[in-house]
Amino acid sequence: EVQLVQSGAEVKKPGESLKISCKGSGYSFTSYWIGWVRQMPGKGLEWMGIIYPGDSDTRYSPSFQGQVTISADKSISTAYLQWSSLKASDTAMYYCARHSGLTTGYMDVWGKGTTVTVSS
Amino acid sequence: SYELTQPLSVSVALGQTARITCGGNNIGSKNVHWYQQKPGQAPVLVIYRDSNRPSGIPERFSGSNSGNTATLTISRAQAGDEADYYCQVWDSSTERVFGGGTKLTVL
Repeated sequence: EVQLVQSGAEVKKPGESLKISCKGSGYSFTSYWIGWVRQMPGKGLEWMGIIYPGDSDTRYSPSFQGQVTISADKSISTAYLQWSSLKASDTAMYYCARHSGLTTGYMDVWGKGTTVTVSS
Repeated sequence: SYELTQPLSVSVALGQTARITCGGNNIGSKNVHWYQQKPGQAPVLVIYRDSNRPSGIPERFSGSNSGNTATLTISRAQAGDEADYYCQVWDSSTERVFGGGTKLTVL
């Protein structure tokens, strides 16, 4: 079964760093792009960026460029999303999703999401 | 940047047909994908590349795309179809773009 398993909920303070993960299984992890999607409380979906684990080619939405870092460790089939200094506005649900391709691709497999709460 | 416009809400009577639109400049030239998200759950792909259904998605779900509007059609709507629906495209300036989402209510 193809699946993406995300790390557990996080509660952090403003200014702290954080790295959440997304482990793929049931398919060739290095052959598909993996991306991250943010959903703030009560709001819609926002695409953040994408990485190709095969060669670590990474693309970001202009809205998130410089705000987060996307990485992957193909040896353990895991993608990451990290922040160096969290803000309260980073409070959201974060989903990872497998992308069928770079340009016209759709997101066919989703993780269950990781809740990030940033509060002092 | 490219923008997608969806109605905030659509209502449909049980067993009738719901149509959810997604507007964008010349969207007919792009591949449109649709996702269903039920409360407390991750999104699920229901239509890809305008009109294709992934395995496991009922035939009641269909899609079309032309001109400046893409449409997700749900025939014989069921209570279990109540959810938020999002359209999505790829654009060279912003990579992937989601519409704002439409809440479907089945009456």
